[in-house]
Amino acid sequence: GEDVEQSLFLSVREGDSSVINCTYTDSSSTYLYWYKQEPGAGLQLLTYIFSNMDMKQDQRLTVLLNKKDKHLSLRIADTQTGDSAIYFCAERPDTGRRALTFGSGTRLQVQP
Amino acid sequence: EAQVTQNPRYLITVTGKKLTVTCSQNMNHEYMSWYRQDPGLGLRQIYYSMNVEVTDKGDVPEGYKVSRKEKRNFPLILESPSPNQTSLYFCASSSRIEANQPQHFGDGTRLSIL
Repeated sequence: GEDVEQSLFLSVREGDSSVINCTYTDSSSTYLYWYKQEPGAGLQLLTYIFSNMDMKQDQRLTVLLNKKDKHLSLRIADTQTGDSAIYFCAERPDTGRRALTFGSGTRLQVQP
Repeated sequence: EAQVTQNPRYLITVTGKKLTVTCSQNMNHEYMSWYRQDPGLGLRQIYYSMNVEVTDKGDVPEGYKVSRKEKRNFPLILESPSPNQTSLYFCASSSRIEANQPQHFGDGTRLSIL
């Protein structure tokens, strides 16, 4: 079955760039998502990319996809204290029941 | 405002006492889903529904039931809750099941089963 893995924790200083990494195993065509979860809240979709794309940029967010290595990264430029949250990588295949498979989440801590 | 609403947000109850967590969306979405979130495991899908009267098992369906009598509502039912169902639960919806339709999540329901 599908598997998505992330590192558990990342700490950066305010103003630096943050890079959160994710690896996945599904080899079929798939969409890859980044969600943000703030304390006590649900999941907020940040961005997504289809597996035939290499890169997607949206304001401070840049998603890079290495299809060969099945590696996905989320770069947050000029990280702010408000970016402190848990970030989940998720993948959803283009066939079957198309359920989201989530990684365990990366807790980003931004130090002032 | 487009949203997915879950109730209750928090519940502490005892083993064996039937409970229902409601989920309602106001976006006319066909696809709805329930997930549970546990530390170190991310979110795992419990059940999903592609449309009214169509439901199917996700990855961890044991101990849960769902129904989809109306498009907007997708309740999660625990007939005989047990302590291993203590978790944070999320309902989600999207306009279609296609992978490029992002899912909208509720704010979560924290269940504690004693």
